Amino acid sequence: EPEVTQTPSHQVTQMGQEVILRCVPISNHLYFYWYRQILGQKVEFLVSFYNNEISEKSEIFDDQFSVERPDGSNFTLKIRSTKLEDSAMYFCASSTWGRENTEAFFGQGTRLTVV
Amino acid sequence: AQSVTQLDSHVSVSEGTPVLLRCNYSSSYSPSLFWYVQHPNKGLQLLLKYTSAATLVKGINGFEAEFKKSETSFHLTKPSAHMSDAAEYFCVVSVEGGGADGLTFGKGTHLIIQP
Repeated sequence: EPEVTQTPSHQVTQMGQEVILRCVPISNHLYFYWYRQILGQKVEFLVSFYNNEISEKSEIFDDQFSVERPDGSNFTLKIRSTKLEDSAMYFCASSTWGRENTEAFFGQGTRLTVV
Repeated sequence: AQSVTQLDSHVSVSEGTPVLLRCNYSSSYSPSLFWYVQHPNKGLQLLLKYTSAATLVKGINGFEAEFKKSETSFHLTKPSAHMSDAAEYFCVVSVEGGGADGLTFGKGTHLIIQP
């Protein structure tokens, strides 16, 4: 069964460093998303991406964050200068369509720890 | 605005007994509602979804949920728990016709199955 894969599963980085989280969405999907979950809090939407551009973003997704689909298969989330409060589980998701109650398929997550 | 409240952070049941995971929502629009499950070190998997068709929704692995508009609830049930059901369960709401960038997650309920 096709699945969304994320690498690495765990990432530890020093405050102020740049980090790139990687995702390989399901191959025929067109919409891509990043969500995050800070420990003990809710899963929150960060950004959606379609046709090589951001379609929606939340207020969490500030200038420190960027997304890219560099090669037609990977979908990356970059945090330019990490802060302690960026420590969270980051989930990538993809869907065939952006609306009409389409199911989103989620990856297993990357746990980011900023020290 | 929309929100989801999962009333129990942890639920513990014995194997073979019924499971009830509670979820209440608020939404200004006709919502779509989902239950996702996350097993350890796995991605978020869709269990079932309600999208304004039948109010009783059947999902995978014997789970079902009933949409009750008058109670703004979407509780998840299973008649007989299995050890493999031990996982984190998320109730999720989306605006009608909304895609995966419109998902609002509950905090999750950790289901423990006692042998």
